[in-house]
Amino acid sequence: DAGVIQSPRHEVTEMGQEVTLRCKPISGHDYLFWYRQTMMRGLELLIYFNNNVPIDDSGMPEDRFSAKMPNASFSTLKIQPSEPRDSAVYFCASRPTGDNEQFFGPGTRLTVL
Amino acid sequence: GDSVTQMEGPVTLSEEAFLTINCTYTATGYPSLFWYVQYPGEGLQLLLKATKADDKGSNKGFEATYRKETTSFHLEKGSVQVSDSAVYFCALSDWPSGNQFYFGTGTSLTVIP
Repeated sequence: DAGVIQSPRHEVTEMGQEVTLRCKPISGHDYLFWYRQTMMRGLELLIYFNNNVPIDDSGMPEDRFSAKMPNASFSTLKIQPSEPRDSAVYFCASRPTGDNEQFFGPGTRLTVL
Repeated sequence: GDSVTQMEGPVTLSEEAFLTINCTYTATGYPSLFWYVQYPGEGLQLLLKATKADDKGSNKGFEATYRKETTSFHLEKGSVQVSDSAVYFCALSDWPSGNQFYFGTGTSLTVIP
C-alpha cells in the first residue's frame, strides 16, 4: 500500500491567494483527519470525516478554511484567502473502522508570504 | 477532557546513552496510548502502542508501559543511536467512545556521536 498521499509537498503563495491541499487516504480507511502543525501550537486537529461526511470541524480556525471529501479516496483542505499566520505543515491521516491507529501522510509545508 | 502532558525538550544525548521521555495523561475512560516519531521533513510514524493497563509496547529497541496507577506512558531506550534523532509525540486515543487523538507537544531528541 502506498500509504496516505498528500500533494503538494510544499506550497509557497502570497497573502490573499487561494490554497488547496489534497489528500488521498489509504484504501479501505473510513476515517480521514486533517491536522495543522506549528511550533507555537503543536499538532491541532482541524476536522475529521467518517465515510466522507464531516463529523467534527470545531478545530477549523475560521471561515477562511473549508474541507471537503467528495469520495472515499480524495479530500481537500482549502484556505481562501490565505494569510501569513496560516503558514504551517498540514497533515492528513486516515484510520480504518475498528482500529484506533492513525496513519499519517508526509504533510504539506505551506508558506504564505 | 482527555489530554496528554509530555516532557519538554529539546533533549540532547550522546550515542549509547539511556533515553527516557516522560508522558502522563488525563482520561475519563480507558484510552489507548501511543508513541509516534517524526523524522525531519516527514510525517508521523507509529513507534509503539499499548491498549490497556500494564501492556508494554515495544519497537526498534524502544519500550513504554501503560501505567494506570500513575497515568503514565514513559518512552525508554537503553542505548540511543544517531539515527534516533527525531521528534517524539505521546498520544492518547479515546476510541471507541470517540474518534480523536490527543497529542502531546512533542519532544525533540538529538543524538550526537
